[in-house]
Amino acid sequence: QSALTQPPSASGSPGQSVTISCTGTSSDVGGYNSVSWYQQHPGKAPKLMIYEVSKRPSGVPDRFSGSKSGNTASLTVSGLQAEDEADYYCSSYAGSNNYVFGTGTKVSVL
Amino acid sequence: QVQLVESGGGVVQPGRSLRLSCAASGFTFSSYGMHWVRQAPGKGLEWVALIWYDGGNKYNIDSVKGRFTISRDNSKNTLYLQMNSLRAEDTAVYYCAKDRLIYGYGGPDYWGQGTLVTVSS
Repeated sequence: QSALTQPPSASGSPGQSVTISCTGTSSDVGGYNSVSWYQQHPGKAPKLMIYEVSKRPSGVPDRFSGSKSGNTASLTVSGLQAEDEADYYCSSYAGSNNYVFGTGTKVSVL
Repeated sequence: QVQLVESGGGVVQPGRSLRLSCAASGFTFSSYGMHWVRQAPGKGLEWVALIWYDGGNKYNIDSVKGRFTISRDNSKNTLYLQMNSLRAEDTAVYYCAKDRLIYGYGGPDYWGQGTLVTVSS
């Protein structure tokens, strides 16, 4: 299956909000609520930020929120902070016990 | 706390084999599905394989079918990835990751630090 489509980059000033899209098909994003978002700092392992489209794991700030409409999921980071600068990846269950990740978005805090 | 520690990476020639291990602790290993995910240098994440909590079912991407085998030993709290017939395009950091659920339908939540596999002559 093909990778989910994300914009290569996004940016915002401290305190602002940034929204990242993740576009798939009815066979993955649109067909299941198993969409997750991961944050990855350079040289580090990914960290789960959102699961099941909009749920936050314990310890993740409520500045991070997720949503989905049709075949597109979105991650919004509100009140941007310097430590939010990282790569972000979406992922989705794609049926038949397969998973697919997004192409990744580099978020810069200006 | 959940800990996943991968090992076994290194430099290997094309066509050769390598076995990765992932030692798990801090959770009931036998109750969760487990994944392998890889990341080529400077590239994005790519899901590689999934195994159910009891090892009863295994799945992987088409590009590694017939070459890679995921397995687990619940008595040793360890996940494995046997990689045969390695190709240059398999060069990547390989992460093991715990699934949120028993069968692996929840998606990865905790990740190891990764182990680098370089396939080169």
